[in-house]
Amino acid sequence: GAVVSQHPSWVICKSGTSVKIECRSLDFQATTMFWYRQFPKQSLMLMATSNEGSKATYEQGVEKDKFLINHASLTLSTLTVTSAHPEDSSFYICSARDRGAYGYTFGSGTRLTVV
Amino acid sequence: GENVEQHPSTLSVQEGDSAVIKCTYSDSASNYFPWYKQELGKRPQLIIDIRSNVGEKKDQRIAVTLNKTAKHFSLHITETQPEDSAVYFCAASNNFNKFYFGSGTKLNVKP
Repeated sequence: GAVVSQHPSWVICKSGTSVKIECRSLDFQATTMFWYRQFPKQSLMLMATSNEGSKATYEQGVEKDKFLINHASLTLSTLTVTSAHPEDSSFYICSARDRGAYGYTFGSGTRLTVV
Repeated sequence: GENVEQHPSTLSVQEGDSAVIKCTYSDSASNYFPWYKQELGKRPQLIIDIRSNVGEKKDQRIAVTLNKTAKHFSLHITETQPEDSAVYFCAASNNFNKFYFGSGTKLNVKP
């Protein structure tokens, strides 16, 4: 089945630094990839929709200058958390759909801790 | 935008009993409703889904029902097993565009 590979799975960074998270679609082309944020014991909150070759669309309340999304190819989308602060600590997860498959596949998630 | 509400937030059942989780949605244009199971620290896994042109779908011990008029859909798990313990999320989407998730239900199946 469709697989989305996400890296890193876990990262700790200092306040003020930037962190890049990658999601790759394996064996299929993902023209659209969704980025979610999940706080402990809470639901997945859609942050933005990443479209290959064009600008991402952000949900209301999500700072586009802080969460930079790049979808340069049909198999790779990246989320960069810039100038990270402790409140950015969360579980970030991407999701994409193989048009030949049914439903969306999630990446394995990235647990970000900002100290 | 779409608003998905999910109940209950926690559900505890005895092994072998049935479990029902309910969701409501607000956008009548939503036409695809997946259910995901998420174990602690892991990615959500699609367990069953339903499209708006169908009222019910079943896959072994899992079934989903949809009432378009009332804008609600439910997940039914029969003969629950301890390995069914996890957090379950419902979601709603319009033609596979943005997915909006419910708040999640933590299911605990007691052996």
